[in-house]
Amino acid sequence: SQQGEEDPQALSIQEGENATMNCSYKTSINNLQWYRQNSGRGLVHLILIRSNEREKHSGRLRVTLDTSKKSSSLLITASRAADTASYFCATGPNYGGATNKLIFGTGTLLAVQP
Amino acid sequence: GAGVSQSPRYKVAKRGQDVALRCDPISGHVSLFWYQQALGQGPEFLTYFQNEAQLDKSGLPSDRFFAERPEGSVSTLKIQRTQQEDSAVYLCASSLDPRTSGSHEQFFGPGTRLTVL
Repeated sequence: SQQGEEDPQALSIQEGENATMNCSYKTSINNLQWYRQNSGRGLVHLILIRSNEREKHSGRLRVTLDTSKKSSSLLITASRAADTASYFCATGPNYGGATNKLIFGTGTLLAVQP
Repeated sequence: GAGVSQSPRYKVAKRGQDVALRCDPISGHVSLFWYQQALGQGPEFLTYFQNEAQLDKSGLPSDRFFAERPEGSVSTLKIQRTQQEDSAVYLCASSLDPRTSGSHEQFFGPGTRLTVL
């Protein structure tokens, strides 16, 4: 399997706390994306960071990327019960290949307690 | 606007049965992907179409799996002689061509949950 790995596998926090999840990947990338999946809305794109970027913000989300370590982190600040979901990182390959497929990590299950 | 739709949402098949799963991508999206998601795992790539051309089928687990997109829009994933290990959620995603749009975001459908008894 080409899947990357995420840790922790599961995370339980209180509303208002911050949540940090990490992702490691194996191949050279063009970009790295984070997706959220819950039963209500399926798999939804959250944020993309390009291989030449080190940090990116979007609302309560902050993503970092370290291509030398092949790792990324997602920080959700001031968490809400509605943030309860599984979070996946997904890497996009370098241009030059015939496919733009995403390689997903194993996911972090986040539970935010009200 | 309408997102990616998939049908059926749930499918129960007896081992050995053939199944066909349908995906309607977002209008205008040239790229279409199929992924397989086992319980508790991340999605794994199966195959990729650009318009009607199947450019990558490296993720199809066996020759029992076949996908088509004959007119460059709707796609069908067919699984012949289903086995219990085929039980999973099958996700379809579509996107614009990143080489022309600059966007790499994939839009996912709700998935088809296949259970093989």
